[in-house]
Parts: sequence; structure tokens; C-alpha cells
Amino acid sequence: KAGVTQTPRYLIKTRGQQVTLSCSPISGHRSVSWYQQTPGQGLQFLFEYFSETQRNKGNFPGRFSGRQFSNSRSEMNVSTLELGDSALYLCASSFRRTYGTDTQYFGPGTRLTVL
Amino acid sequence: KQEVTQIPAALSVPEGENLVLNCSFTDSAIYNLQWFRQDPGKGLTSLLLIQSSQREQTSGRLNASLDKSSGRSTLYIAASQPGDSATYLCAAETSGSRLTFGEGTQLTVNP
Repeated sequence: KAGVTQTPRYLIKTRGQQVTLSCSPISGHRSVSWYQQTPGQGLQFLFEYFSETQRNKGNFPGRFSGRQFSNSRSEMNVSTLELGDSALYLCASSFRRTYGTDTQYFGPGTRLTVL
Repeated sequence: KQEVTQIPAALSVPEGENLVLNCSFTDSAIYNLQWFRQDPGKGLTSLLLIQSSQREQTSGRLNASLDKSSGRSTLYIAASQPGDSATYLCAAETSGSRLTFGEGTQLTVNP
């Protein structure tokens, strides 16, 4: 069974630009969550999508947005990039049959560098 | 607001030693407590998930316990090996499948 895939793996952008990251969940998984990992703040929850609907959102500015398609693939967009957006962006998928019982499986991440 | 703390921040042990990693959380209203491993520059690998109604879970040389009333979880690694060297993260799942992570324990097992 293929794992969670994220593209691209590495990305370099300049301040003010926008970026779109992609996540393909494990086949059959309907929930996709996004996390930002930085040395200073650690791992922080961005948002979760389930069946094309955003179910939960973390404390990030509106520049961070996402969506999920009917095949459960998800994209995350960051507009007007700032230097502080440099981070490893991880997505995780799960079947989400019932809260609390499903392991979340993480992808390898996209390393975003903002210059 | 859920806060998760891990102690120690770093640990260096000789190969073969048994060790315990600690995790504490402030809000006992959790769905589960998960332990992950992260190798440098890589994503997270799930190790163990303990549901809120459970007390412990075991997988091979790993054993994780959960005490919701005291807000604590421990990860026990038996007979450590150099391949166990990584950062270990615990995470509490709260509403809407949100995981709140600790800062991690960086483990080094020396041959």
C-alpha cells in the first residue's frame, strides 16, 4: 500500500510570492490534516479536511488556506509569503472512521524556503 | 488550550540500555495519545496510539502507557539499539483530529 505522498519535496520562493503544496493520502483515507514544523514553534496544526470540507482550523492567518478534492487529494496554499513561513510542511492522512481510533500517517513533507 | 511537554529534551545512552521518555499534557479531555518517531529531515513515523480508554500499548521493544488523570504518558524502549536514534514526539489528539505535539526528545544510542 503506497504511503502519503507530498509534492514538491523542496521549494524556494521569495517574499510576497504565493505557493501551492500538494498531498495525496493513502488510498481509502478520507481525512487529510496539515502541519507546519519550525525549529522555534515545533509542530503546529494548520487545518483538517474530510470529504472536501474543512472540519478544523488552527491559529494561522488567512494567508494559509487549503482545499480537498473528491479523490481526497489536498492542496495547501500560502499567499504573500513571509520569511517566517520557511518551514517543513507535513500532511497526514487517516481513514477517520471514529475520532480517537485512527492512526494518522504522515508524508515526508515539503521543505519551503522563503528568501 | 492543550499544552504538551516532553522530558528530557535530549538523551544519550549506550547500546542495550532500557530507557523511558516522558510526556505530559494539561487537558485530560483527549481522544488518544500518540507517539511518533522523526528522523532528521524526514516525516513522522507512527509508533503507538493509546486510546483514551486504554492504559497501555505495546509493539515489539516499545511500550507506551497513559494516565489521563495525571496527564502523563511514558514511552519505554527496551534494549536500545543505534537504529533507535531519532527524535521521539508525543501528541495528544483533541477535537477535530487536531494533534498537539510536544517539543520532542532527541535520542542518541551509542554503539
